[in-house]
Amino acid sequence: SQTIHQWPATLVQPVGSPLSLECTVEGTSNPNLYWYRQAAGRGLQLLFYSVGIGQISSEVPQNLSASRPQDRQFILSSKKLLLSDSGFYLCAWSLSGPRLFFGSGTQLSVL
Amino acid sequence: QKEVEQDPGPLSVPEGAIVSLNCTYSNSAFQYFMWYRQYSRKGPELLMYTYSSGNKEDGRFTAQVDKSSKYISLFIRDSQPSDSATYLCAMSEVGGGTSYGKLTFGQGTILTVHP
Repeated sequence: SQTIHQWPATLVQPVGSPLSLECTVEGTSNPNLYWYRQAAGRGLQLLFYSVGIGQISSEVPQNLSASRPQDRQFILSSKKLLLSDSGFYLCAWSLSGPRLFFGSGTQLSVL
Repeated sequence: QKEVEQDPGPLSVPEGAIVSLNCTYSNSAFQYFMWYRQYSRKGPELLMYTYSSGNKEDGRFTAQVDKSSKYISLFIRDSQPSDSATYLCAMSEVGGGTSYGKLTFGQGTILTVHP
């Protein structure tokens, strides 16, 4: 069966520090991968998606970037975090249908 | 105006009650409609999805879509304390591939079912 791993679960970082969040999917090949962010009291916002290795599409301009170095690995990065980057970050995957499967999320607090 | 509007609640009901959760939307291109359940500090899990208008039932859950009114609902029958969570509606346009995962979410309704 397919599983998605996302880490760390919680992260506290100072303003201006770098960020790297990692997500891996097991049990499937060539998944579509997504990074969503959920701000307090708000719905999920799509940040990036990827249809294959090295292929990244950005949905909103921001201080973040994404990379997909391997088929089932998706990384969210920042060179310098802002206070506004705080939130709950979720990685997700899908295949050809409308079912989207989420990881357990990373709660990022930028102080 | 947001593309998807969802009453954030919170909604508190007694065990055994029928719960009605709703979303309205403005984008007529939405064709897939989904409901996710999210427990605190966890990733959302897909409960149900429907294509275009109509009803779909799965156990105690029923999803309804009325595209003419741009209105979707999720009904929970015989609600249980374990149903206490945040419920998110989500929608996507038809297109295949990554389009399915490019979801537009409501802000979520916090539901508490008390014994």
